[in-house]
Amino acid sequence: EDKVVQSPLSLVVHEGDTVTLNCSYEVTNFRSLLWYKQEKKAPTFLFMLTSSGIEKKSGRLSSILDKKELSSILNITATQTGDSAIYLCALAGGTSYGKLTFGQGTILTVHP
Amino acid sequence: DAMVIQNPRYQVTQFGKPVTLSCSQTLNHNVMYWYQQKSSQAPKLLFHYYDKDFNNEADTPDNFQSRRPNTSFCFLDIRSPGLGDAAMYLCATRDGGSRNEQFFGPGTRLTVL
Repeated sequence: EDKVVQSPLSLVVHEGDTVTLNCSYEVTNFRSLLWYKQEKKAPTFLFMLTSSGIEKKSGRLSSILDKKELSSILNITATQTGDSAIYLCALAGGTSYGKLTFGQGTILTVHP
Repeated sequence: DAMVIQNPRYQVTQFGKPVTLSCSQTLNHNVMYWYQQKSSQAPKLLFHYYDKDFNNEADTPDNFQSRRPNTSFCFLDIRSPGLGDAAMYLCATRDGGSRNEQFFGPGTRLTVL
């Protein structure tokens, strides 16, 4: 069974800090790894990473996959209070219907 | 704007009283998913439709059923809600091609009294 583990489970920082969120996985047949941001509503899509290993960037957020280490990191630089959310890592594994297996999430709190 | 819509956003029901949650999409995606997310937990897949083909996850209780009358709409029926079914229910869609990105609706928060 596919498995996704995120660390840390929670993180408290101050505005301007840089954070690194971790996601490690076990999978039978890797398709892609996705990062989502969840505030008090449904998850919103951030990045999708494939085995190409290409880093993805969007503004202050960036993410990369290490297929050898079976892990991914999500970096957020110059954090803002609006970055406070749960960050979910999800794995698309070997099923043909695109099932996502989610990690338990990292709760990020950014204080002013 | 193309989107995934869920109604109602908040639903309160009584123990054992059937409830139906609704999801619609304007993305014309052929795959639709229902997830259950309990407090401080990851979303858990209940079932999905690939077009009209229904697929149940092995550990989804029989109390949960689903209908997809057409491409745009999908319903989640909880036949006899228990206190343990209180959760956020998330609908998501995906283009049936090779991309694995799923688009989520805003969710319905279900309270069982």
